[in-house]
Amino acid sequence: GQSLEQPSEVTAVEGAIVQMNCTYQTSGFYGLSWYQQHDGGAPTFLSYNALDGLEETGRFSSFLSRSDSYGYLLLQELQMKDSASYFCAVRDQDYGQNFVFGPGTRLSVLP
Amino acid sequence: SAVISQKPSRDICQRGTSLTIQCQVDSQVTMMFWYRQQPGQSLTLIATANQGSEATYESGFVIDKFPISRPNLTFSTLTVSNMSPEDSSIYLCSVEGGPSYGYTFGSGTRLTVV
Repeated sequence: GQSLEQPSEVTAVEGAIVQMNCTYQTSGFYGLSWYQQHDGGAPTFLSYNALDGLEETGRFSSFLSRSDSYGYLLLQELQMKDSASYFCAVRDQDYGQNFVFGPGTRLSVLP
Repeated sequence: SAVISQKPSRDICQRGTSLTIQCQVDSQVTMMFWYRQQPGQSLTLIATANQGSEATYESGFVIDKFPISRPNLTFSTLTVSNMSPEDSSIYLCSVEGGPSYGYTFGSGTRLTVV
């Protein structure tokens, strides 16, 4: 089976940098995705890592270490609009190559 | 990436009735996915729908309760049958934009069963 762990809540202030972690256990790992979901909205795709290392897209960066079964999403220059839930999702061969979503981290950005 | 139109956006239904949720995609896609998200929780895959074949259901979800249609490459429906209050949830359809593009989600259907 698969299991993913994420901290339930993170709080940071505007302009700061925040890192949200994701650890996973799966036997058929293909890659790790990150999604943002504002209250009442649909999840929005942020990034996908299949190989070790850091991927950067604007203020967002995502990191993967396959050997450690670990990844993180890094948000820089935090803005109030970044307050949302962030889900990591593992693409798993044993799950029909579908994505299994983690429990999510709720990020609150304070002024 | 694809654009998905999902409806209804919300509904309040009586227990024992059924609701059909529709998703229309602006491009042809091979697979469509149906998810359930209970308030404050993560997303759980209900089933994968391929055009021209039976949907594939995940553990804990059965066709009699969640029948799915996929008549063509741009459209799918999910029916929540014989509803009970435990079915109150957000239901989302999604499509894949390629391995590096992740999933695109519909806007969701917020279902309340009373």
